[in-house]
Amino acid sequence: DSGVTQTPKHLITATGQRVTLRCSPRSGDLSVYWYQQSLDQGLQFLIQYYNGEERAKGNILERFSAQQFPDLHSELNLSSLELGDSALYFCASSVVSSGGEQYFGPGTRLTVT
Amino acid sequence: EDQVTQSPEALRLQEGESSSLNCSYTVSGLRGLFWYRQDPGKGPEFLFTLYSAGEEKEKERLKATLTKKESFLHITAPKPEDSATYLCAVQPSNDYKLSFGAGTTVTVRA
Repeated sequence: DSGVTQTPKHLITATGQRVTLRCSPRSGDLSVYWYQQSLDQGLQFLIQYYNGEERAKGNILERFSAQQFPDLHSELNLSSLELGDSALYFCASSVVSSGGEQYFGPGTRLTVT
Repeated sequence: EDQVTQSPEALRLQEGESSSLNCSYTVSGLRGLFWYRQDPGKGPEFLFTLYSAGEEKEKERLKATLTKKESFLHITAPKPEDSATYLCAVQPSNDYKLSFGAGTTVTVRA
C-alpha cells in the first residue's frame, strides 16, 4: 500500500458526459501528479500540482482540468468524454516539487461507452 | 523530447533462471532514472531511483544499474511472484514529469 488513495475504483459513463476523479496523496507529500495509462499509449504524464499550484503540464487535453485543494487532495475533471478517453487514470505523490520518487495510487478505471 | 525504450517487450523465465531487462534513454540532462513494478490492474510500485552513471541499487532478487545511456534491471534466481511488468522512467533535470517506457512483462514459471 503506497498510502495514495484514489476514488472511485471504477467508473462507467457515456460519451459527452463529465466525471471527476479524486486523489489523496501520502501524508506529508505536497506534490500530486496525474497520469493516464492506455493500452496503446502506455503511461502518460498529464499534470502536476505542488502545494495547490500548477507546476508542470504534459499532454493534457483542453477537455481535462485538475486542481489541488488546501487539504492537498486533488481532483481531475474530464469533460465531453470520448470513447478514446477510456483508460486507467493514476495519481502519484511525492514530497518535493522536483525530483524524487513518486508513489502511485491504485488508479481509477474509466470506461466510456 | 525525452525517449525511453525498454527491451525485450516480454520475457518468459523458468524459476531460478536469471536474466536482465534493458532501458535505453535519451534525455536532456538526467535528474533521475526510476524503476517501477506494475501488476495487472494495479498502480506502479516504486522499486529504485538511480541518479548517476555507475550507481547500483539492490532489493531482494533485483539489482538496478545505470550508465550514461541505459539502465539494466537484473533479476537473480527469479520466483513466480516476480512475474509483473517492469517500467523504467526518466526525469529530466529541467522538468518534473516522469517519461515512462512501454515496460517489459516478465513471466516466471515454477
